[in-house]
Amino acid sequence: DTAVSQTPKYLVTQMGNDKSIKCEQNLGHDTMYWYKQDSKKFLKIMFSYNNKELIINETVPNRFSPKSPDKAHLNLHINSLELGDSAVYFCASRITLGPAGELFFGEGSRLTVL
Amino acid sequence: GDSVTQMEGPVTLSEEAFLTINCTYTATGYPSLFWYVQYPGEGLQLLLKATKADDKGSNKGFEATYRKETTSFHLEKGSVQVSDSAVYFCALESGGSYIPTFGRGTSLIVHP
Repeated sequence: DTAVSQTPKYLVTQMGNDKSIKCEQNLGHDTMYWYKQDSKKFLKIMFSYNNKELIINETVPNRFSPKSPDKAHLNLHINSLELGDSAVYFCASRITLGPAGELFFGEGSRLTVL
Repeated sequence: GDSVTQMEGPVTLSEEAFLTINCTYTATGYPSLFWYVQYPGEGLQLLLKATKADDKGSNKGFEATYRKETTSFHLEKGSVQVSDSAVYFCALESGGSYIPTFGRGTSLIVHP
């Protein structure tokens, strides 16, 4: 049973489209994150949720909208996709907000915008 | 703000060679430090961590020591295997931020 699962794993779409990536964790964790990994492997935090509440919203265009229907799920919706949105998006979870707890990552969702 | 600097890869080694991947950081206060590993096609997983100065984290033959005086957390392994080929990420978390900040990752390639 996968601890942190993301769907889809691969997504190819045209510029201007709207798409969603879903994330679910079955670990009973309170805190979830979205990270973006660019082509040079650099990993950057996008959002953090704790018990369904938004904690951190880094400098991310408002075309990106996270939603947490319950603490086991954190979905990412992207409007009006641009070429620069092409990346691998990782969902992660942690037992609680802090400190220094281990992050558990999903396998990533590779988004390609044409 | 917080930042992590890692040596640029790829690092290419022969099996049984000694490995060092350098990591230095900038942070306020006394952060916790981590190494995560990403195997091909997988998500990151925690390799080891240290939460205070002079602590040594270790796992699977890998070690790293929290050096406050040099703001470093270098990853070492005495004898690498082909199966260690992966991307290694150094990360830190400042007290109160609850958001781990990652370095850019260093790719390790081990040849038989």
